Amino acid sequence: DSGVTQTPKHLITATGQRVTLRCSPRSGDLSVYWYQQSLDQGLQFLIQYYNGEERAKGNILERFSAQQFPDLHSELNLSSLELGDSALYFCASSVAGFQETQYFGPGTRLLVL
Amino acid sequence: GENVEQHPSTLSVQEGDSAVIKCTYSDSASNYFPWYKQELGKRPQLIIDIRSNVGEKKDQRIAVTLNKTAKHFSLHITETQPEDSAVYFCAASNFGNEKLTFGTGTRLTIIP
Repeated sequence: DSGVTQTPKHLITATGQRVTLRCSPRSGDLSVYWYQQSLDQGLQFLIQYYNGEERAKGNILERFSAQQFPDLHSELNLSSLELGDSALYFCASSVAGFQETQYFGPGTRLLVL
Repeated sequence: GENVEQHPSTLSVQEGDSAVIKCTYSDSASNYFPWYKQELGKRPQLIIDIRSNVGEKKDQRIAVTLNKTAKHFSLHITETQPEDSAVYFCAASNFGNEKLTFGTGTRLTIIP
C-alpha cells in the first residue's frame, strides 16, 4: 500500500458524460500527478499540482481539468467523454517535485460505452 | 519535448538467468532516470533510479547503467525469479522541464 488513495476503483459511463476522479496523496506529500494509462500508449503524464497550484502540464485534453484543494486532495474532471477516454487513470504523489519517488495510487478504471 | 524509446517490448527469460531492458532518450538535458515495475492489475512502483552524475547504481539483484554520451540507460536484473514477472517502465526528466516521460514498457516473463 503506497498511502495514496483513489476513488472510485471502477467507473462505467456513456459517451458525452462527465465524471470526477478523486485522489488523496500520502500524508506530507505536496505534489499530486495525474497519469492516463491506455493499452496502446503506456503511461501518459496529464498534469501536476503542487500545494494547490498547477505546476506542470502534459498531454491533457481541453475537455479534462483538475484541481488540488487546501487539504491537498485532488480531483480530475473528465467531460464530454469519448470512447477513446477509456483507460486506467493513476494519481501519484511526491513530497515536492518530479525528480523524487512518485508513489502511485491503485488507479481508477474508466470505461466509456 | 523528450522522447523515450524502450526495448524490447516483451522479454522471456529462464528463471535464474539475467534480463536487460534498454531505453534511449532524446533530450541531452535529461538528468533523472527512474524505473518502475507494474505487476498485473497493480500500480507502478519505483524500483530504482539514477541521476546523471552517476554511471551505475545497484540494489541487490537490480542495477541501472547510464551512458550520457549515447543517451541511453539500461535496467539489469540478475538471478531472475518468478516474482520479477511484470511490466517495466523507464522514464526520464530534466531539472528545467521536470515532466516524467515514460517509455512504452517491457513485459518481462520469467519461465520457471
